[in-house]
Amino acid sequence: QKEVEQNSGPLSVPEGAIASLNCTYSDRGSQSFFWYRQYSGKSPELIMSIYSNGDKEDGRFTAQLNKASQYVSLLIRDSQPSDSATYLCAAQLMNTGFQKLVFGTGTRLLVSP
Amino acid sequence: AAGVIQSPRHLIKEKRETATLKCYPIPRHDTVYWYQQGPGQDPQFLISFYEKMQSDKGSIPDRFSAQQFSDYHSELNMSSLELGDSALYFCASSLTNEETQYFGPGTRLLVL
Repeated sequence: QKEVEQNSGPLSVPEGAIASLNCTYSDRGSQSFFWYRQYSGKSPELIMSIYSNGDKEDGRFTAQLNKASQYVSLLIRDSQPSDSATYLCAAQLMNTGFQKLVFGTGTRLLVSP
Repeated sequence: AAGVIQSPRHLIKEKRETATLKCYPIPRHDTVYWYQQGPGQDPQFLISFYEKMQSDKGSIPDRFSAQQFSDYHSELNMSSLELGDSALYFCASSLTNEETQYFGPGTRLLVL
């Protein structure tokens, strides 16, 4: 079992809809969580970081963290075709010393015009 | 804003050859991380340096070594290359070893 788990998708949504991406992690002591967007053949691009329980909003993006359920999510409002990419959930896990990022396998998002 | 710089961007090598990948972190960032991403896979942590000292080690083969220099740039040295080493190699940097990591554009290595 991977330490960070994501549904690989693809998740298909129409343009203008809300895309909901989910991630679970195994290390209950983990503190820092990140969402990266990666276009094919390109590097991961940071979208959001979240450290505390609750919601964090930045433009069309909202990250949600529930430490009791060991669950992190990313909502993308008003999805655009340019949002089509792989979304990587990453965590700095307590059992690995908090430094390195442990990634999920990524969820591929397809936004159709 | 300045980003992480990696060179070369593309590299083609033969089996058993050596390769050196370079990473220049964002100015004032003192921590560098190396990740390897195979086709269709998520990035896997290789090694990291904080203030020029190795701070963490992941699934890095013994054939690979790395260091961080006084100007905080880092080099990943890869020897006895194998076909399976073909991958994207990303460098990320952060301001101290507990902050958000920002990724460079990557080096695409192809071993023939």
